[in-house]
Amino acid sequence: NAGVMQNPRHLVRRRGQEARLRCSPMKGHSHVYWYRQLPEEGLKFMVYLQKENIIDESGMPKERFSAEFPKEGPSILRIQQVVRGDSAAYFCASSPVRGGPETQYFGPGTRLLVL
Amino acid sequence: GQQLNQSPQSMFIQEGEDVSMNCTSSSIFNTWLWYKQDPGEGPVLLIALYKAGELTSNGRLTAQFGITRKDSFLNISASIPSDVGIYFCAGQLEGDDKIIFGKGTRLHILP
Repeated sequence: NAGVMQNPRHLVRRRGQEARLRCSPMKGHSHVYWYRQLPEEGLKFMVYLQKENIIDESGMPKERFSAEFPKEGPSILRIQQVVRGDSAAYFCASSPVRGGPETQYFGPGTRLLVL
Repeated sequence: GQQLNQSPQSMFIQEGEDVSMNCTSSSIFNTWLWYKQDPGEGPVLLIALYKAGELTSNGRLTAQFGITRKDSFLNISASIPSDVGIYFCAGQLEGDDKIIFGKGTRLHILP
């Protein structure tokens, strides 16, 4: 059973461009969480999605950031008009159920660098 | 937002030494978790704790859920080179879906 997959693993964008980060959950997992990790910091929650629904987006910046988890295909975290402060590692986690944090399995992350 | 205070920030130890790190919070957590993150990878769960006072081991790792539900510690005995990495404490509040992470303890093992 493959783990959580994220791509690309590294992404370089210039200020003002768009960044699209993809997360393919583990097989059988219908819950996806996105976290952001700034250098020398812990992970910070951004958004929790279940297939086709956003359940909790309390950690998402109000502007430029959006997330989706369509019925088919990976979850996408989209950052429009990137700025240098968006440079970070973005991790997704997937879970087969809602609730127990021990059921969240993390992917390897996408490292975004904004020039 | 909620914050977890994790200490120490860094540790430099000799191979074979025991390690201790801890985490405190101003909020009461329902669940405490300890993760390890290797360079370029995502965090991997080491131990999950569910009840106040619970003491759980995983090989050379031991963690405890504090009685007040506002703190936890992780001990690593007889450290080996592959223990190098960043250790994060994390917690989940009751009724919440997200995991709240500390800032990490960076463990270095001196040759």
